[in-house]
Amino acid sequence: NAGVTQTPKFRVLKTGQSMTLLCAQDMNHEYMYWYRQDPGMGLRLIHYSVGEGTTAKGEVPDGYNVSRLKKQNFLLGLESAAPSQTSVYFCASNSWIGQPQHFGDGTRLSIL
Amino acid sequence: SQQGEEDPQALSIQEGENATMNCSYKTSINNLQWYRQNSGRGLVHLILIRSNEREKHSGRLRVTLDTSKKSSSLLITASRAADTASYFCATDAGQGAQKLVFGQGTRLTINP
Repeated sequence: NAGVTQTPKFRVLKTGQSMTLLCAQDMNHEYMYWYRQDPGMGLRLIHYSVGEGTTAKGEVPDGYNVSRLKKQNFLLGLESAAPSQTSVYFCASNSWIGQPQHFGDGTRLSIL
Repeated sequence: SQQGEEDPQALSIQEGENATMNCSYKTSINNLQWYRQNSGRGLVHLILIRSNEREKHSGRLRVTLDTSKKSSSLLITASRAADTASYFCATDAGQGAQKLVFGQGTRLTINP
């Protein structure tokens, strides 16, 4: 039982490059979330999805896009990476808002 | 803006002592959750307390909720070295909320 799996675990990008972070969950959860975690800032919600084919903006959505084409996958895209997007990105999922969220182990992204 | 704010930001105690962390929030909630994050890992759910509950226990963990003061506390009794981690509270935003808002966390260090 893998839970929530994030790929890649580490990545270094140059400013202006693009990339996609993948989140996969095997718990048949409806809700999925993308957060970023920066020192002293806690977790901030980037985008979330309440079901297959749906997405919604969170607290800090600028510079990111997401897609939820399959229920088990939630993709986070950076179209033109900027140094301010250097962070640790976490994906989480749950069956509905009132239930605990299950987290992946994060993607550490550095943008030079 | 952060819905939940933890206090203190950092706490260092001796093994065997009790650790208390506090969380304050701003708006009405349906439930409040506590999570733990070990270094380099994702968050792990510890306990969920609903707005109509005042206290909840899970093993060595005790959570209280005071909705009149918009605050919660997490008590870890008989601390162990393995309890060293960051602890976060998370709240929804009441009726119709589809997401959680996390505080900035308390960094707990248990000294052997």
